[in-house]
Amino acid sequence: DVKVTQSSRYLVKRTGEKVFLECVQDMDHENMFWYRQDPGLGLRLIYFSYDVKMKEKGDIPEGYSVSREKKERFSLILESASTNQTSMYLCASSFFINRDGDTEAFFGQGTRLTVV
Amino acid sequence: RKEVEQDPGPFNVPEGATVAFNCTYSNSASQSFFWYRQDCRKEPKLLMSVYSSGNEDGRFTAQLNRASQYISLLIRDSKLSDSATYLCVVGTYGGATNKLIFGTGTLLAVQP
Repeated sequence: DVKVTQSSRYLVKRTGEKVFLECVQDMDHENMFWYRQDPGLGLRLIYFSYDVKMKEKGDIPEGYSVSREKKERFSLILESASTNQTSMYLCASSFFINRDGDTEAFFGQGTRLTVV
Repeated sequence: RKEVEQDPGPFNVPEGATVAFNCTYSNSASQSFFWYRQDCRKEPKLLMSVYSSGNEDGRFTAQLNRASQYISLLIRDSKLSDSATYLCVVGTYGGATNKLIFGTGTLLAVQP
């Protein structure tokens, strides 16, 4: 059974704290993604990675950084948490998207982060 | 302009109805297309991939129009269990552009 695991379901952090969200996949996927999901805005791509140590900015990278030291692990870092980063964070992974296009992304269960 | 756009709904339909969702995308270089389903408080899961020739899976039919850059999903004979948010997803491939972009989702509520 495929598995994408996020380290926490719920987190409460204080403004200014450094926050680490961890994601691990066991499918040997090349691609990994971090999204945040907010009501009315859908899933927005923060960062993605298509290989170890490779990272690319998504649509809303400001205030975030990522780390991919091993293929199976993709970490999202909030350098200094702010209240506007309160959201649901979803990690996903997939095989490399190719021209044939038949690439399914698998999601973790999500981390509900509240910054107070 | 958003890269992937969907009507957010909600679509309120009676059981047994046929309902259609559309989605437009702006990047003409996009290569892969999908519909995902997300139940309340759950993670998204793949419903079906969308191919140029169109494809069908039971009561669900997906179509892709590359010239007009839109994707559609048709659900026939709606069931209560179809109530969910349907997400249009577009993928681009190749090195640093290997990514998936999600639409904001269309909420479907099937009424008894």
